[in-house]
Amino acid sequence: EDKVVQSPLSLVVHEGDTVTLNCSYEVTNFRSLLWYKQEKKAPTFLFMLTSSGIEKKSGRLSSILDKKELSSILNITATQTGDSAIYLCAPRIQGAQKLVFGQGTRLTINP
Amino acid sequence: GAVVSQHPSRVICKSGTSVKIECRSLDFQATTMFWYRQFPKQSLMLMATSNEGSKATYEQGVEKDKFLINHASLTLSTLTVTSAHPEDSSFYICSAQERNQETQYFGPGTRLLVL
Repeated sequence: EDKVVQSPLSLVVHEGDTVTLNCSYEVTNFRSLLWYKQEKKAPTFLFMLTSSGIEKKSGRLSSILDKKELSSILNITATQTGDSAIYLCAPRIQGAQKLVFGQGTRLTINP
Repeated sequence: GAVVSQHPSRVICKSGTSVKIECRSLDFQATTMFWYRQFPKQSLMLMATSNEGSKATYEQGVEKDKFLINHASLTLSTLTVTSAHPEDSSFYICSAQERNQETQYFGPGTRLLVL
C-alpha cells in the first residue's frame, strides 16, 4: 500500500526563523512529487520534483528530492506570518494520474 | 493561468435532498478532473478520478451511486451528492489537470452542510 508520512505534524516558530518540513514516501513506481500549501481553502501548487538532488526555488521557499532516501524536504527561510498554513506533499505514481497525499504539516508562524 | 473554480462555495441542504457541485477549469482544458473530500484537520481523500467523456473511476469505499460524477466537457465536471445525509457534510475539493501535464490545480472547495 502506498504510504506518505510528513513530519513534523505541527510546527510553531517565530517570524524570521527558518523551517524544514519533511516528506517520506513508499509508493510503487514513483514518478514525481508535488508540494502544496493549503491555507483556509484549497491547496495551491508550490513545486513539482522529478529529479533527485536538484533544488527548486521560489523566493524564500525551496525544495529538493532524494530518491535514494525516498524523501523530500521543503525549506522556508525568513518565515513570515503569511507562511502559516498546512503544507502537503504528494507523490505521483508512474502510469497513474492520482496523487497520494500525506497528512500535512501544520506550520504556524508567530509574530 | 491554471485557474479552477468551484460553485457553490458553500451549501446547506436538508437531509434527503441532492446537491450538485460544479468544477470548472477557466483557462485550460482539463482532460482529467479529481474530486476530493477533506474532513477537519485531515488530509485530502481522493474520491474519484474523471476523464473527459469517460466514466469516473472511484476509489475503494466510495459509493458511485451516491456520488455521481459527470465530466461532459474539457472545462466542466460535476459532483452530485444524492440523498444527502448529515455524515456527508464535508469540504469537497476538485482539481483539474491538463493532458500530458503532471500538476493538478485545485478549486477553492465547497463546504457542504447537511441538516
